[in-house]
Amino acid sequence: SYELTQPPSVSVSPGQTARITCSGDILAKQYAYWYQQKSGQAPVLIIFKDIERPSEIPERFSGSSSGTTVTLTISGVQAVDEADYYCQSADNSGTWVFGGGTKLTVL
Amino acid sequence: QLQLRESGPGLVKASEALSLTCIVSGGSIGNTTYYWGWVRQPPGKGLEWIGTIYYTGITYYNPSLKSRVTISLHTPKNQLSLRLTSVTAADTAVYFCARYSYGFHYWGQGNLVTVSS
Repeated sequence: SYELTQPPSVSVSPGQTARITCSGDILAKQYAYWYQQKSGQAPVLIIFKDIERPSEIPERFSGSSSGTTVTLTISGVQAVDEADYYCQSADNSGTWVFGGGTKLTVL
Repeated sequence: QLQLRESGPGLVKASEALSLTCIVSGGSIGNTTYYWGWVRQPPGKGLEWIGTIYYTGITYYNPSLKSRVTISLHTPKNQLSLRLTSVTAADTAVYFCARYSYGFHYWGQGNLVTVSS
């Protein structure tokens, strides 16, 4: 098995840029996915295949990848972006895994 | 529009089995493009992958749960199911079903299952 490591929390002021990292050896070989989860709701996929964004997701959300670390960037953070964010990946043997999650606080 | 809805008891006794059904509408679980999975979330904690199944019936399970988990497809009913045996308080969680193709794009609303002692 493998692990994905995220910071427990990130705080930013409205209008600033938030960056949430996710680290794990598997990320050097496999895609990463990012989910946003607001309180009491199901997760929503916001980034897939490291950098792709579903059409319904605002352009201020973007993903990047470098080696064993992927980063979710939220530009011009808004109050509505306050949520938990999870990274996820899967290996070729059929094991999926989620990171521990990062709570984004908009100050 | 694809919709998934989890169905099952909200309370299960410790040592017994937990069984949930995911009812899929607006798309076929027999579609060769997709996998179908179960994810859970204990109260106040993060997401945990339980397992995934392909339309052929091939299954992949979280190693930490593998000995207790069974995921099945019921193609005529367009449903998938989850069975988790010998439950304990640690299995108390919201259980989600979801469709996977380069990410879990569609999710059910979740079903809270509480394990009572």
